[in-house]
Amino acid sequence: KNEVEQSPQNLTAQEGEFITINCSYSVGISALHWLQQHPGGGIVSLFMLSSGKKKHGRLIATINIQEKHSSLHITASHPRDSAVYICAVRRSGTYKYIFGTGTRLKVLA
Amino acid sequence: EAEVAQSPRYKITEKSQAVAFWCDPISGHATLYWYRQILGQGPELLVQFQDESVVDDSQLPKDRFSAERLKGVDSTLKIQPAELGDSAMYLCASSYAGLAAGELFFGEGSRLTVL
Repeated sequence: KNEVEQSPQNLTAQEGEFITINCSYSVGISALHWLQQHPGGGIVSLFMLSSGKKKHGRLIATINIQEKHSSLHITASHPRDSAVYICAVRRSGTYKYIFGTGTRLKVLA
Repeated sequence: EAEVAQSPRYKITEKSQAVAFWCDPISGHATLYWYRQILGQGPELLVQFQDESVVDDSQLPKDRFSAERLKGVDSTLKIQPAELGDSAMYLCASSYAGLAAGELFFGEGSRLTVL
């Protein structure tokens, strides 16, 4: 079992839909990152969380430390949101990051 | 806006040839990571530097891969000889030092194709 698991692996939505991507982890962490990767492109950091909730534009990220679970929400989705979304956790007391395999999102116009 | 610079963006080579990738992290970032990402998978750590010192290279195939960060600033990752299975995206990332987690910044990556 992977230490960081994401669901779903693939997601297709219609423009305007509300989208949720989930991340569960099994190790102690000091932070959790949500990353975005466009096809053929590099990776952009969307959020870094250690507790609670953060919002940036149409994106909202939440984390529940007790349940070892985080969600990334996209409101009013748009085709330009189409990308791979990756959850990464930083293991407590280390500089080491563990990455999920990503959720491939496609938003149709 | 500060960014992590990587080159080349794309590299096509034949197996058994030598390949080198370069990364210049954001100024002041002491921690530098090299990751390998195979299509459809998440990044996997190859090597981590703290300033000029290697902190973790446990997953680096040392028979063919080497990495250095001589002055604790920019870094080079080398593969010699390249094999077909090395085809992947090679990503460089950097962050501030310290065990308090900081933002992680990635470069655009170097996509390697080995023929």
